[in-house]
Amino acid sequence: DAKTTQPPSMDCAEGRAANLPCNHSTISGNEYVYWYRQIHSQGPQYIIHGLKNNETNEMASLIITEDRKSSTLILPHATLRDTAVYYCIVRVTGNQFYFGTGTSLTVIP
Amino acid sequence: GAVVSQHPSWVICKSGTSVKIECRSLDFQATTMFWYRQFPKQSLMLMATSNEGSKATYEQGVEKDKFLINHASLTLSTLTVTSAHPEDSSFYICSARGTGDYGYGYTFGSGTRLTVV
Repeated sequence: DAKTTQPPSMDCAEGRAANLPCNHSTISGNEYVYWYRQIHSQGPQYIIHGLKNNETNEMASLIITEDRKSSTLILPHATLRDTAVYYCIVRVTGNQFYFGTGTSLTVIP
Repeated sequence: GAVVSQHPSWVICKSGTSVKIECRSLDFQATTMFWYRQFPKQSLMLMATSNEGSKATYEQGVEKDKFLINHASLTLSTLTVTSAHPEDSSFYICSARGTGDYGYGYTFGSGTRLTVV
């Protein structure tokens, strides 16, 4: 079952940073935080994941609080193509992904 | 990178007929595949987990006799919707896990939109 809470929707101006929050207050010590996104009528796309350290890749940055009860996905310079539903998932390595309701991000020109 | 191909991308069938959806891992061996269903404006719901060469494990509330899953090889899993009805119309998505490091998550297919008329 999904163990995360995300705001249902957010807007972001094109070119600005998009900060998407996720609450996972019941996360276990061996559960990773994953972020995926789904553009309309496509399969989910992997963005980034982390355990307790902040992570950065070519797509985004992931900031995890010290108590690991929440995290923030940062898209540094949002473009119109970043409009999608973003899912935050906590999961033990090797287990299934259970998707929550996600955040629908709309990037506004 | 790892690629998962799903076929067909969309299908329309008559009520009462069966439809088969294929999920292939193109450049890796998928020991485990997962099948999801997504209704409009809703999130993905995990239906079942299939391991190569063994029976699929279905999530609670998913009818195993209606949604037949076969994972006969390390690169192919199929989902057959038997005796389809309009309420089975949905977006079906598969994902696959390789034999290596699981830490980077799983690759998802592009989905199959099923419309039962």
